[in-house]
Amino acid sequence: GQNIDQPTEMTATEGAIVQINCTYQTSGFNGLFWYQQHAGEAPTFLSYNVLDGLEEKGRFSSFLSRSKGYSYLLLKELQMKDSASYLCAVRDSNYQLIWGAGTKLIIKP
Amino acid sequence: ETGVTQTPRHLVMGMTNKKSLKCEQHLGHNAMYWYKQSAKKPLELMFVYNFKEQTENNSVPSRFSPECPNSSHLFLHLHTLQPEDSALYLCASSQDGETGADTQYFGPGTRLTVL
Repeated sequence: GQNIDQPTEMTATEGAIVQINCTYQTSGFNGLFWYQQHAGEAPTFLSYNVLDGLEEKGRFSSFLSRSKGYSYLLLKELQMKDSASYLCAVRDSNYQLIWGAGTKLIIKP
Repeated sequence: ETGVTQTPRHLVMGMTNKKSLKCEQHLGHNAMYWYKQSAKKPLELMFVYNFKEQTENNSVPSRFSPECPNSSHLFLHLHTLQPEDSALYLCASSQDGETGADTQYFGPGTRLTVL
């Protein structure tokens, strides 16, 4: 079966750095997405990786290793507004998106 | 402003009621999706429409009935629901649903409670 694993919850301190991991086992691979979802709001697109390596976008970076079935989202200079759930999703060989259950990130002052 | 709107934002209904959820996208996309989001579970894809044609129906019970009159509008008709159907229902749209980088944009969702 297809599976996406990510931690259920993480806690970090304002101003610090946090890494949210995502591992996947899917039938084929056509890219990996990260979304941010604040409580009661729509998921919003953060990043897309299809080649190995690190993609940087301001305070957020996303890394992919296809051989290891592994990605992480790196958040730097954490702000209170970064408190949210972070969803990892993989597009499989049929172009379906397979979703993880999300990681709830709690930022403390 | 994500360009995808959903109404109503909250809905409470009894098991014998009939109601409809509405989604509208202003992004010029050709694919639209219904998802169910339950606490601590992955998003569950329910239905996919591409160029107004239904392309996916992931074993969804018949008490959920989708309708896509055009590429900008999507409805989910609900009847004789069960309490376990209580969840956040999210609508999304994307350019064409057929390429790896095709990105889905979500509406804010309808929080549904079935009594």
